[in-house]
Amino acid sequence: GQQLNQSPQSMFIQEGEDVSMNCTSSSIFNTWLWYKQEPGEGPVLLIALYKAGELTSNGRLTAQFGITRKDSFLNISASIPSDVGIYFCAGRSGGTSYGKLTFGQGTILTVHP
Amino acid sequence: DAEITQSPRHKITETGRQVTLACHQTWNHNNMFWYRQDLGHGLRLIHYSYGVQDTNKGEVSDGYSVSRSNTEDLPLTLESAASSQTSVYFCASSEHSTRGLTEQYFGPGTRLTVT
Repeated sequence: GQQLNQSPQSMFIQEGEDVSMNCTSSSIFNTWLWYKQEPGEGPVLLIALYKAGELTSNGRLTAQFGITRKDSFLNISASIPSDVGIYFCAGRSGGTSYGKLTFGQGTILTVHP
Repeated sequence: DAEITQSPRHKITETGRQVTLACHQTWNHNNMFWYRQDLGHGLRLIHYSYGVQDTNKGEVSDGYSVSRSNTEDLPLTLESAASSQTSVYFCASSEHSTRGLTEQYFGPGTRLTVT
């Protein structure tokens, strides 16, 4: 089946630093999504990407859909304590699997004040 | 406001018992999904449904079943609970039709412990 490799697995950073994480796939996706999960809650959608090469921002967050359609990147600028959580990438391949998502293992982000 | 709810939020059960986790959404979405979340594995798909009377197996469906008798609900049943099914379970819904596209919205999760 499809697999997504997300890295890094965890990050410990100081408030104000920039953060970068990425996902790579063994197969092509036509949609890339980035979710954030806070303790005790379900994942919440941050950014959705629908075209290869697309670069989309949501406040301090910027995500890109890789040209090869096999990878995606999420950057967080000037991190703040409320950025703490688990960040997941997810991909969708379309066709008869149009509704299904494949998730990465998650990146645990800790921000020290 | 439309929402997706799960119940119970926490459940402790014994090995071998049948357990049903409820998921209810008020968005009128066609698509509903069940995932389990375990450390190091992210979210893994258990079962999913694209509409009433439609159900499909995900990547980790053994020991689980679902039924879709209406648009709003997709209950997840563990036929005979095993310790390996101790996990946090998330339900999600989405829409992908001529009415438009929405990505998956997730419920708050159910923490299940099998002793």
